[in-house]
Amino acid sequence: GQNIDQPTEMTATEGAIVQINCTYQTSGFNGLFWYQQHAGEAPTFLSYNVLDGLEEKGRFSSFLSRSKGYSYLLLKELQMKDSASYLCAAKDSNYQLIWGAGTKLIIKP
Amino acid sequence: SAVISQKPSRDICQRGTSLTIQCQVDSQVTMMFWYRQQPGQSLTLIATANQGSEATYESGFVIDKFPISRPNLTFSTLTVSNMSPEDSSIYLCSVGLAGDFGEQYFGPGTRLTVT
Repeated sequence: GQNIDQPTEMTATEGAIVQINCTYQTSGFNGLFWYQQHAGEAPTFLSYNVLDGLEEKGRFSSFLSRSKGYSYLLLKELQMKDSASYLCAAKDSNYQLIWGAGTKLIIKP
Repeated sequence: SAVISQKPSRDICQRGTSLTIQCQVDSQVTMMFWYRQQPGQSLTLIATANQGSEATYESGFVIDKFPISRPNLTFSTLTVSNMSPEDSSIYLCSVGLAGDFGEQYFGPGTRLTVT
């Protein structure tokens, strides 16, 4: 079957760095997405990886290893506004998005 | 990107009634999706609604319960029929853009409570 695993919850300190991991098993693979979702709001697109390696976008970076079925989202210089759920989603061979359950990130002062 | 609006933003409905949720996009898009999200959980795809064809439903969702219309490239509706408390959830529409990534953009969601 198809499956996405990511930690349920993580806690980090303002100004620090946090890495949110995601492992996936899909029928075929056409890329991996990270979304941010603040409580009570819709998910917003953060990043996309289809090739191995690191994609950097400001304070956020996303990494992909296709051979390991693994990705991570790296958040630097954490701010209180980064408190949110982070959703990992893999696109399968039918270009369908398979969603993880999300990681709730709590930022403490 | 795309700007997506949904109506209503929230509603409280009686058991056994139906609610139609509207999704409007500010540009023409081929692919639209309807999701359900239970509190604290991830997104569950209900169906894919492409203009000019019947909606494609995921396992566990049927047309009689969740009829979908897609009359043009900027609009879609999802009806939640014969509601029960188990249908209480957030319903989200999203659109897939034929850009570099094919990422999806989401509407603000409709928070439904069935009593």
